[in-house]
Amino acid sequence: TQLLEQSPQFLSIQEGENLTVYCNSSSVFSSLQWYRQEPGEGPVLLVTVVTGGEVKKLKRLTFQFGDARKDSSLHITAAQPGDTGLYLCAGVGPQGGSEKLVFGKGTKLTVNP
Amino acid sequence: DSGVTQTPKHLITATGQRVTLRCSPRSGDLSVYWYQQSLDQGLQFLIQYYNGEERAKGNILERFSAQQFPDLHSELNLSSLELGDSALYFCASSVDFRTDYGYTFGSGTRLTVV
Repeated sequence: TQLLEQSPQFLSIQEGENLTVYCNSSSVFSSLQWYRQEPGEGPVLLVTVVTGGEVKKLKRLTFQFGDARKDSSLHITAAQPGDTGLYLCAGVGPQGGSEKLVFGKGTKLTVNP
Repeated sequence: DSGVTQTPKHLITATGQRVTLRCSPRSGDLSVYWYQQSLDQGLQFLIQYYNGEERAKGNILERFSAQQFPDLHSELNLSSLELGDSALYFCASSVDFRTDYGYTFGSGTRLTVV
C-alpha cells in the first residue's frame, strides 16, 4: 500500500510569513498532485508535477517534486488569509494512469491577518 | 461551481438506516470516484466507475454499494448505518480512467449518524 505522509499536520502563521509543507513517501510515484480544500467544499486541484526535480510556480505558490519522485514540497511566499485551507498531496501509482489517487491526510494551514 | 453535483449536502439519520447519496459528474467526464473523508483517516478511496462499469475498489465496506447509470450519474448506497459511518462523502469525476490530470470534486455530502 502506497502511503503519503504530510507534515506538519497543522500550521498557524501570520500574514506575510513564508512557509513550506512537505509530502513524503517510501514509494515512487509517476506523478503527484496538490489540492486545496476549504471548509464545506471539496478539494480543488492546484498543480500536477510529473518529472523528478520538477518545479512549478503558481503565483506565490512553488511546488517541487523530488528527484526520486518519492516526495514533494509546497512553498508559499508572503502568505495571505486567503491561503487558509487544507493542503492535500495525492500520488499516482508508478505505472501511471492508475485508477485512483492516494491522498495524504493533509496540512491544515491558518493564516492570521 | 466545480461542475460535479452532489446531493444532498447534509444528511442526518439513525443507526441501522439506509441512505443514498447522489452524484452527477462534470459534463463530458466518464469516470466517477467516491471518497470518504474523516478527521482521523483523511480521504479514503471507496470505489470507481468508468462509463457504467466498476473499475476499481478501495476500502469500501460490504454494507456500502454503488452504481453508475447510463446517464453517468452515480449513487452510493450506505446501509445498516453505524455511528462510525459519520463522515464527509465526496464524489469526483475525470474525463477517463487515467488519474494523471487530476479529479474534479463535488462539494460533498455530510452524513451524520445518530
